[in-house]
Amino acid sequence: GAVVSQHPSWVICKSGTSVKIECRSLDFQATTMFWYRQFPKQSLMLMATSNEGSKATYEQGVEKDKFLINHASLTLSTLTVTSAHPEDSSFYICSAGILRGYTFGSGTRLTVV
Amino acid sequence: GESVGLHLPTLSVQEGDNSIINCAYSNSASDYFIWYKQESGKGPQFIIDIRSNMDKRQGQRVTVLLNKTVKHLSLQIAATQPGDSAVYFCAENIGRGNTPLVFGKGTRLSVIA
Repeated sequence: GAVVSQHPSWVICKSGTSVKIECRSLDFQATTMFWYRQFPKQSLMLMATSNEGSKATYEQGVEKDKFLINHASLTLSTLTVTSAHPEDSSFYICSAGILRGYTFGSGTRLTVV
Repeated sequence: GESVGLHLPTLSVQEGDNSIINCAYSNSASDYFIWYKQESGKGPQFIIDIRSNMDKRQGQRVTVLLNKTVKHLSLQIAATQPGDSAVYFCAENIGRGNTPLVFGKGTRLSVIA
């Protein structure tokens, strides 16, 4: 139980374009979704926290106009990387808070060329 | 032995030996701790958790020790197997599920067959 499905698993896009990453909770309602970014050989860094029906809370240094988060329903949260640049290339992971802890998506490898 | 790479420290152990992975956590107010295993290109996989009112918790082949006095967490893996090779992260937070996890730097475990 408590599975988060994350898509796409990998994406390559051209610099200046936008990319949307989706996380769906398959068998539970995700009131809260956390979005992390992970650069190679580094740890997971929290980008933002989103709650269903309200604006996301961004961590210091994360541009809210560049990383658009939408959590319009209890089963879907999306992260859109707008006007992507090569420095945005990273591994993006969503995580939902659940009763007994947390469940993670499988991650999205974004490569901006 | 253990070595510190560019970003992630690496622990190399012989197959069948016991592994000990250490973590220093940052927030003395944290009351919930989790160890995760992450394989290349995948999201974190839950291994074991512990609450701050405990010093030790055991699972199958794994044991987590918590020393709140020095804010130290360790993960012990018994009879390490090649399939244990991965990056291991400790994570901490206050409360469960509705607040984000803060991840430690991570340790790469390399099992030598």
